[in-house]
Amino acid sequence: GQNIDQPTEMTATEGAIVQINCTYQTSGFNGLFWYQQHAGEAPTFLSYNVLDGLEEKGRFSSFLSRSKGYSYLLLKELQMKDSASYLCAVRDGNYQLIWGAGTKLIIKP
Amino acid sequence: ETGVTQTPRHLVMGMTNKKSLKCEQHLGHNAMYWYKQSAKKPLELMFVYNFKEQTENNSVPSRFSPECPNSSHLFLHLHTLQPEDSALYLCASSQVDGSTDTQYFGPGTRLTVL
Repeated sequence: GQNIDQPTEMTATEGAIVQINCTYQTSGFNGLFWYQQHAGEAPTFLSYNVLDGLEEKGRFSSFLSRSKGYSYLLLKELQMKDSASYLCAVRDGNYQLIWGAGTKLIIKP
Repeated sequence: ETGVTQTPRHLVMGMTNKKSLKCEQHLGHNAMYWYKQSAKKPLELMFVYNFKEQTENNSVPSRFSPECPNSSHLFLHLHTLQPEDSALYLCASSQVDGSTDTQYFGPGTRLTVL
């Protein structure tokens, strides 16, 4: 079967750096997405990786290794507003999006 | 208005009621989606409309009935729901054209079935 694994919850300190991991087993691969979802709000698109390597967007970076079935989202200079759930999703060989259950990130002062 | 909008934001209904959820996208996309989001579970894809044609129905019970009158509007008609249907229902849209096909979400309807 197809599966996306990410930690259920993580805690980090304001101003620090946190890395949220995502591992996947899918039938084929056509890209990986990261979304941010604040409580009670819509998931918002953060990043897309289809080739191996690091994509940087301001304080957020996303890394992909297709051979390892692995991605991470790196958040730098954490702010209280970064407290949210972070969703990893993989587009499989049939172009279906497979979703992880999300990682709830708690930022402490 | 921009992005993807959904109404109502909250809905409480009894098991015998009939109600409808509405979604509208202002992004000029050609595909729209209904998802169910339950606590601590992955998003569950319910229906996909691509160019107004339903292209996917992921074994969703018939008490959920989608309607897509045009590429900007999507409805989810609800009738005789069960308490386990209580969840956040999210609508999304994307442009399916061989590029990244990124999905953009509305704020969701929080549904409670009594």
